[in-house]
Amino acid sequence: EPEVTQTPSHQVTQMGQEVILRCVPISNHLYFYWYRQILGQKVEFLVSFYNNEISEKSEIFDDQFSVERPDGSNFTLKIRSTKLEDSAMYFCASSEEVVPRYFGPGTRLTVT
Amino acid sequence: QKEVEQNSGPLSVPEGAIASLNCTYSDRGSQSFFWYRQYSGKSPELIMFIYSNGDKEDGRFTAQLNKASQYVSLLIRDSQPSDSATYLCAVRGSGYALNFGKGTSLLVTP
Repeated sequence: EPEVTQTPSHQVTQMGQEVILRCVPISNHLYFYWYRQILGQKVEFLVSFYNNEISEKSEIFDDQFSVERPDGSNFTLKIRSTKLEDSAMYFCASSEEVVPRYFGPGTRLTVT
Repeated sequence: QKEVEQNSGPLSVPEGAIASLNCTYSDRGSQSFFWYRQYSGKSPELIMFIYSNGDKEDGRFTAQLNKASQYVSLLIRDSQPSDSATYLCAVRGSGYALNFGKGTSLLVTP
């Protein structure tokens, strides 16, 4: 069965460093999402991406965040200058419809 | 602030019983409603979604929606130990974003 994959599974970085989280959505899916979950807290929406552009973003998704679909298969989330509070599990999701149906396994980001 | 509220639990039910999970939401403009299951340390898995008032059944799962009361529930019939997980309620308005609740922890005891 097709699945969403994410790399790396765990990323440790120092405060102020840039990180890129990578996702390979299921092929032929049209809608892509990034969500995050701080340990012990709820899942939070970051951004949605459709037709090669951002379709919606949350207040969390400020100028430090960006997304790209550089080659038609990968979908990346970049955090330019990480903060301690960016430590969380980051989930990529993809779908054929406007429902985040398939989540990847997540990347655990630890900012020290 | 648009809130999605769930009892954190844990909700404990014996194997074979019906588990009833509840969720309330504050935004009357919400249009679609979702239930995800999340095992510890794993990503959310979509169980089902509902758009209209009433019941929607899928196998052992039934979602119930009452927009007037701003209430959505998930019933799990014939609960199994493998159903033990955290169940996340999520709500969407007119856009793409899902607003999640904190989840209810379900424990099914053999």
